[in-house]
Amino acid sequence: QSVLTQPPSVSAAPGQKVTISCSGTSSNIANNYVSWYQQLPGTAPKLVIYDNNKRPSGIPDRFSGSKSGTSATLGITGLQTGDEADYYCETWDSSLSEGVFGGGTKLTVL
Amino acid sequence: EVQVVESGGGLVQPGGSLRLSCAASGFTVRNYEMNWVRQAPGKGLEWVSYINRSGSKNYYAGSVKGRFTISRDDDKNSVYLQINSLRAEDTALYYCAREDGDKFDYWGQGTLVTVSS
Repeated sequence: QSVLTQPPSVSAAPGQKVTISCSGTSSNIANNYVSWYQQLPGTAPKLVIYDNNKRPSGIPDRFSGSKSGTSATLGITGLQTGDEADYYCETWDSSLSEGVFGGGTKLTVL
Repeated sequence: EVQVVESGGGLVQPGGSLRLSCAASGFTVRNYEMNWVRQAPGKGLEWVSYINRSGSKNYYAGSVKGRFTISRDDDKNSVYLQINSLRAEDTALYYCAREDGDKFDYWGQGTLVTVSS
């Protein structure tokens, strides 16, 4: 049981938009920065969003992040088959003094 | 080029120990916080441990506290994870990740730990 809650899967057609939610509490998401990681099959995770809504260099602006209260959201527009991956939210939990990940969301581009 | 390379994984019996290594290149580990994250086969990511820049502060997931120890050797530009009293549920791919301002910006390819008799 993950501290952060994500939907197990989402799907959308190529070119469409999808959002992935990440729900937490006041001890984690509400008071700490959220990062999002993309994990393509058989590869290491890759940072796609940090500090709630910033993109690392090289990440296209099709990827966006937002945060409100105890929830965060990853948005991907103009979906491509290459976006098919598992996506994880992550933050620090100040009460646990631990890093915490969401359970992951499998994105399928139909 | 920034790289982290993990090593030291393997097959170990329950109750056994291993020392995982994370060798950094392209940056100096003393300037960054470092973390270990693991992923059990077919499962999601699980944060395991953190060490600060000076090595004076570290944190552990509740599932490994008291059994795992993170350390760093700045002369070797490396970070380590000593894992003791291994259990079947510790079987996972262990990743080393550089932390830069609350984000894990560089990850290694992982080293596999298998706990089985």
